[in-house]
Amino acid sequence: DTAVSQTPKYLVTQMGNDKSIKCEQNLGHDTMYWYKQDSKKFLKIMFSYNNKELIINETVPNRFSPKSPDKAHLNLHINSLELGDSAVYFCASSPKGGGYTFGSGTRLTVV
Amino acid sequence: AQSVAQPEDQVNVAEGNPLTVKCTYSVSGNPYLFWYVQYPNRGLQFLLKYITGDNLVKGSYGFEAEFNKSQTSFHLKKPSALVSDSALYFCAVRDLYNFNKFYFGSGTKLNVKP
Repeated sequence: DTAVSQTPKYLVTQMGNDKSIKCEQNLGHDTMYWYKQDSKKFLKIMFSYNNKELIINETVPNRFSPKSPDKAHLNLHINSLELGDSAVYFCASSPKGGGYTFGSGTRLTVV
Repeated sequence: AQSVAQPEDQVNVAEGNPLTVKCTYSVSGNPYLFWYVQYPNRGLQFLLKYITGDNLVKGSYGFEAEFNKSQTSFHLKKPSALVSDSALYFCAVRDLYNFNKFYFGSGTKLNVKP
């Protein structure tokens, strides 16, 4: 009965590859997010969707593209992976005006 | 712009002693402040929040936080630390104009020694 689940947990891939991370929430929240946590544990928002509509798009390279097929899913696709993309990516969801519920993270390592 | 700062990268306390993890905020209006905890290899978990009302907010696992407007602080506290409290703690503030957006502090690693 995981609330926010991400797959995969770990992803090791070569530079230049394209990869996707999937996220699903069963909390009935309207808003979902992608955050990036770098090696110094700094958390920065990347994207947010509200009911399948993009509402936050921070300064993120065009190689990153979120997709929300429905309000319970928010996937992150990354093209032409670079070494600097290595990080932990967290999905989260929230009700209107409420705090976040985070997934357990996807550790992406680009070699 | 809104922001929070956590001045300590790491806090060390002995089990049974009180703990404080510091957070200061910079907000042009009334702040909405949050504390989250991250255990190793896990996502962040919500601990507590201040929206309005009592300056002392109680949260999960025996934690509380005190909102101090004059000092623009929102320090996290617990009267008696447990070894299992060892984790990374993040302070966060909600954007005043976009309720879906949070700004997180840089995190403070709490080490509780037996």
